[in-house]
Amino acid sequence: DVKVTQSSRYLVKRTGEKVFLECVQDMDHENMFWYRQDPGLGLRLIYFSYDVKMKEKGDIPEGYSVSREKKERFSLILESASTNQTSMYLCASRPGGTGQPQHFGDGTRLSIL
Amino acid sequence: EDKVVQSPLSLVVHEGDTVTLNCSYEVTNFRSLLWYKQEKKAPTFLFMLTSSGIEKKSGRLSSILDKKELFSILNITATQTGDSAVYLCAGAGGTSYGKLTFGQGTILTVHP
Repeated sequence: DVKVTQSSRYLVKRTGEKVFLECVQDMDHENMFWYRQDPGLGLRLIYFSYDVKMKEKGDIPEGYSVSREKKERFSLILESASTNQTSMYLCASRPGGTGQPQHFGDGTRLSIL
Repeated sequence: EDKVVQSPLSLVVHEGDTVTLNCSYEVTNFRSLLWYKQEKKAPTFLFMLTSSGIEKKSGRLSSILDKKELFSILNITATQTGDSAVYLCAGAGGTSYGKLTFGQGTILTVHP
């Protein structure tokens, strides 16, 4: 079974802090994704990575950056956290190429005070 | 801009009822339509549909895609309280990286 592990289930941070959300997958997947999930808006793609050190902006990248130094790990960084970044953050991975679904982690519920 | 719209946004039924969830999409270079179920934690994969008119089934759940009318439905027969969840529909298009555009989700509540 694919295992996508997010480092924290719940996280509380203060406005202006630099926040790191970590995601690790154990299936040697090439593609990894970060989403945020908000009521009524569904999942929205922040950034994705199609290989080590390769990244592309998703639909809502503003205020975020990412890092992928190793294939199994994809980090989401909030450079200077703001209250409107309070949300559920979901990480996903999938094998490279077409025809494969994404597998999700359990999510990190982040609150910015 | 790619767009996926689900309806209804929420649904309350009783055990034993049959439900139909709807998903319409506008996705550039459409490749596939995916359904996920989300309870308290990670969305779990249900179906991936790539061809029109071919029903996919898993137990009491089934789904079909209409690429001409750009929609998909997810049917759940003989619902159980364990079916209570958020059902997510997503369209995959564009590059081969598997980028998904999600709908808002349908919240299904099944009462005993």
